[in-house]
Amino acid sequence: DAGITQSPRHKVTETGTPVTLRCHQTENHRYMYWYRQDPGHGLRLIHYSYGVKDTDKGEVSDGYSVSRSKTEDFLLTLESATSSQTSVYFCAISESKAGEETQYFGPGTRLLVL
Amino acid sequence: QKEVEQNSGPLSVPEGAIASLNCTYSDRGSQSFFWYRQYSGKSPELIMFIYSNGDKEDGRFTAQLNKASQYVSLLIRDSQPSDSATYLCAVTGSGGYQKVTFGTGTKLQVIP
Repeated sequence: DAGITQSPRHKVTETGTPVTLRCHQTENHRYMYWYRQDPGHGLRLIHYSYGVKDTDKGEVSDGYSVSRSKTEDFLLTLESATSSQTSVYFCAISESKAGEETQYFGPGTRLLVL
Repeated sequence: QKEVEQNSGPLSVPEGAIASLNCTYSDRGSQSFFWYRQYSGKSPELIMFIYSNGDKEDGRFTAQLNKASQYVSLLIRDSQPSDSATYLCAVTGSGGYQKVTFGTGTKLQVIP
């Protein structure tokens, strides 16, 4: 457990509505990540952050935005949710272990867009 | 061609046997390699990482890396039913350790 929580854990929403997912960490990690996991695609990076107000895009960033105003919180926003964004969303942090950066995951958020 | 490839399985092994999970990757500049275990409905859990050619052992788990062949494997000795899960291979590319690419995972079933 790397001290990561995600909220909400489950959400059902309708197409076209905005949705914000929250990732919270308690151990002052600099790097935070948002992934989505879908059958047949595995885990795919949406966005990541390397510090407060410092973010960068991953491979599937279209339709998503992020913000990090505090070290402990990394928010993922779907501005106008679509059915293709139905997925399981995982937040992760990066921690140095034996000289290597390794990623640890939060419990996930299951999002269903109707 | 996918950047990180794994056989989706399921791979079925009897209890007590050695399970061998394989992964190939396309980026020759890849630096670090990870194995995650993911139980159904749960988040991925890091079980091994390796960054040098050769073998790395941790308990019943051995990771093997061959950069020339762009191949990484995970051996699980004395497989237990509790090892039944999906195993994800992950690779840090030449673009930096922030960008980790995951395979789609191999489902392992250990038969009692």
